Amino acid sequence: DSGVTQTPKHLITATGQRVTLRCSPRSGDLSVYWYQQSLDQGLQFLIQYYNGEERAKGNILERFSAQQFPDLHSELNLSSLELGDSALYFCASSLGGGRTDTQYFGPGTRLTVL
Amino acid sequence: GQNIDQPTEMTATEGAIVQINCTYQTSGFNGLFWYQQHAGEAPTFLSYNVLDGLEEKGRFSSFLSRSKGYSYLLLKELQMKDSASYLCAPRNQAGTALIFGKGTTLSVSS
Repeated sequence: DSGVTQTPKHLITATGQRVTLRCSPRSGDLSVYWYQQSLDQGLQFLIQYYNGEERAKGNILERFSAQQFPDLHSELNLSSLELGDSALYFCASSLGGGRTDTQYFGPGTRLTVL
Repeated sequence: GQNIDQPTEMTATEGAIVQINCTYQTSGFNGLFWYQQHAGEAPTFLSYNVLDGLEEKGRFSSFLSRSKGYSYLLLKELQMKDSASYLCAPRNQAGTALIFGKGTTLSVSS
């Protein structure tokens, strides 16, 4: 158990809908990262927040957005969902935003878009 | 650009030693991580190398050569529970996010 929690564990929805995934980092960690893992793509970095501020952006679609709240939990919002958005979404956290920080991953949310 | 190359699949038997190679090209370099991931589960941290050489941690060791853009993960005394995907993840100089390859799926048989 990494100490990172994610809810829900599974989510099934229809195309065109909007969902929110939630992540709570390990106690004391200030950075939160979101990754998407689909079968053919491997783990892809989406976005990072550090202490409430956006720190880095990866391959995140405009239909997706995220935020980190004052209590440091984070939410990833996915809208206008398409079949291709079906994937495992992982949140990871690290102590700071430093380049040597180890990232610890949560159990993931499996999103299925029908 | 960024590119990570690992073998797609490897097989080995219990008790054996296996070496999983990774070559990478990144825009700058800020260390390399290895993670283990069982199917459908979260990646779990195994090792981190930022300087050249070997880092040993129990049954697992990781090696880095920055000049060659090369790393390997060495697993000794293989156990059935080591059957998993192993992800090589260098970090580029610009950011703090990890760049993951597609991973190597290791199957350990008895």
